[in-house]
Amino acid sequence: GAVVSQHPSWVICKSGTSVKIECRSLDFQATTMFWYRQFPKQSLMLMATSNEGSKATYEQGVEKDKFLINHASLTLSTLTVTSAHPEDSSFYICSAPGTGGAKLFFGSGTQLSVL
Amino acid sequence: QQQVKQSPQSLIVQKGGISIINCAYENTAFDYFPWYQQFPGKGPALLIAIRPDVSEKKEGRFTISFNKSAKQFSLHIMDSQPGDSATYFCAARLNTDKLIFGTGTRLQVFP
Repeated sequence: GAVVSQHPSWVICKSGTSVKIECRSLDFQATTMFWYRQFPKQSLMLMATSNEGSKATYEQGVEKDKFLINHASLTLSTLTVTSAHPEDSSFYICSAPGTGGAKLFFGSGTQLSVL
Repeated sequence: QQQVKQSPQSLIVQKGGISIINCAYENTAFDYFPWYQQFPGKGPALLIAIRPDVSEKKEGRFTISFNKSAKQFSLHIMDSQPGDSATYFCAARLNTDKLIFGTGTRLQVFP
């Protein structure tokens, strides 16, 4: 199946700094990618839809100025958590639909810890 | 109306037993219903999926049963193994590829 690579796997940062998370589709092109957030023992909550060459679409309640999304190419989307605070600590996961759009493939996730 | 309700929250099954997880939805616009398996610290992995025009789909030990009129679908894991211990999420897709996830079921299979 299609492979979605996410990097880094985990990151620890100081409060007030920014963190960038990368999501790459390795063997297919993705005009759309999705970013999810997951708190411990909870479900995945969709944060935003990343669209190649255009602005991301954010879900209700997600601060677009805090969670910057860039989808500059057909294989790469990035999520930047700006001015991170401890409450931003979470597991962030990206996903992309495979060829034909029927299946959604997920990256391995990024555990962000803000001190 | 975009919610997907999942139960039970947790499930303990003995090795060799059948694990059953149920999901229900309201939005008839959903057109694809996948199940994902997630191990701690990892992203979800697609397990099996079904479309609403099919009542049952089986892949190895995993079976999805789909009841369109009741707006319910379930995952059956036959001959459950300790390696199946994970969190399982049902999901429903709108035609924009956006997935709405259930709340998850933590499955523990004991030897």
